[in-house]
Amino acid sequence: SQQGEEDPQALSIQEGENATMNCSYKTSINNLQWYRQNSGRGLVHLILIRSNEREKHSGRLRVTLDTSKKSSSLLITASRAADTASYFCATDSSGGSYIPTFGRGTSLIVHP
Amino acid sequence: DADVTQTPRNRITKTGKRIMLECSQTKGHDRMYWYRQDPGLGLRLIYYSFDVKDINKGEISDGYSVSRQAQAKFSLSLESAIPNQTALYFCATSDFTSGRQETQYFGPGTRLLVL
Repeated sequence: SQQGEEDPQALSIQEGENATMNCSYKTSINNLQWYRQNSGRGLVHLILIRSNEREKHSGRLRVTLDTSKKSSSLLITASRAADTASYFCATDSSGGSYIPTFGRGTSLIVHP
Repeated sequence: DADVTQTPRNRITKTGKRIMLECSQTKGHDRMYWYRQDPGLGLRLIYYSFDVKDINKGEISDGYSVSRQAQAKFSLSLESAIPNQTALYFCATSDFTSGRQETQYFGPGTRLLVL
């Protein structure tokens, strides 16, 4: 079973616009991570946010975490065509072996 | 050089054949994982290993086996391949420090086609 679920499944925007994708999960977590995957390639780590953190930034990326709602969001500002990829969240449940579990991903297309 | 490597990158095999996918890492991490990715299903965990002597099944281990030959090497075997094992396979590694799971690093993937 998949702990995290991303929303929307697909997102299509124009270059320069912001892209927001969300991740919801079911049980308490220690960490939540966001990854990017270009078509058919390996996953690249973007940001890790701990359960006691609420927001983190990395360049044009901003991740928020709301543990009361069991949700996270990834914001990509001023998107570029090169941001076209699938984005996954991964959560590791607290009280367990801390194995990251992945959602099904959001497919982002940024049109030039 | 890549930190996590997988061989082969592509493989076509026939139903019933035994095949092995190999993973090597230079990160020095104790934890290693094998995931499978199917279209629309995200990544699903097959097996994971916390160290050489600690190997655990994931959510979809049936039909697969693994071997942790050394800290740096973790192999996945399909004893008798079947068509629904056609997928993209990823190896990953991670550290675990002070009771905290750290970032996973992924290999480039092995694309497997079972005819």
